[in-house]
Amino acid sequence: KAGVTQTPRYLIKTRGQQVTLSCSPISGHRSVSWYQQTPGQGLQFLFEYFSETQRNKGNFPGRFSGRQFSNSRSEMNVSTLELGDSALYLCASSVTGMANQPQHFGDGTRLSIL
Amino acid sequence: DAKTTQPPSMDCAEGRAANLPCNHSTISGNEYVYWYRQIHSQGPQYIIHGLKNNETNEMASLIITEDRKSSTLILPHATLRDTAVYYCIVSERMEYGNKLVFGAGTILRVKS
Repeated sequence: KAGVTQTPRYLIKTRGQQVTLSCSPISGHRSVSWYQQTPGQGLQFLFEYFSETQRNKGNFPGRFSGRQFSNSRSEMNVSTLELGDSALYLCASSVTGMANQPQHFGDGTRLSIL
Repeated sequence: DAKTTQPPSMDCAEGRAANLPCNHSTISGNEYVYWYRQIHSQGPQYIIHGLKNNETNEMASLIITEDRKSSTLILPHATLRDTAVYYCIVSERMEYGNKLVFGAGTILRVKS
C-alpha cells in the first residue's frame, strides 16, 4: 500500500511570492492534516481537512490556507511568503481523523524562502 | 502546548532494550497516547498508541501506568537504525476529530 506522497520535495521561493504544496493521502484515508516543522517551534498543527471541508485549524495567519478535493488529495497554499515561512511542511492522513486512528506522515516539502 | 514531558536525550547499547519514559499527568480519560519517531529529513513514523492497556506490535511495546499519568515505550532490541527523535504525544480532541501536539521529543542514540 502506497504511503502519503508529498510534492514537491524541495522548493525555493522569494519573499512576497506564493506557493502551493500537494499531498496525496493513503488510499482510503479521508482525513488530511498539515503541520509545519521549524527548528525553533518544532512541529505545529496547521489545519485538518475531511470530506473537502476544513474541520480544524491551528494558530496560523490567514496567509496559510488549504483545500481538499473529492479524491481526498489536499493542497496547502501560502501567500505573501515571509522569511519565517522557511520550514518543512508535513502532511498526514488517517481514515477519518478520529482519536484512535494513527496519522501517517509523508516525508514533507522543504520550503526555503530567500 | 504539549501535554507531555520527555527527557531530552538518551543513549542505548545496540542489542539492548531501549526504555523511553514519558509523563502526561494532565491527560484526559478519552485521550490516547501516541509514539512517533523521526529520522533526519524524513516525516514522523508512527510506532504505537494506546488508551489504557499495554500494547505491543512488531516495532515496540507501550506500557501505560494504571493512573495513565505516564508511559514507557520499549524497543526490545535496539539497532543503530533506531537512532532518531522519539515523540510521545497525547492526541488532543477538537470539536471534530483530533490533533497531535508535538513536544521536543527524546533524542535516542543507539551505540555499537
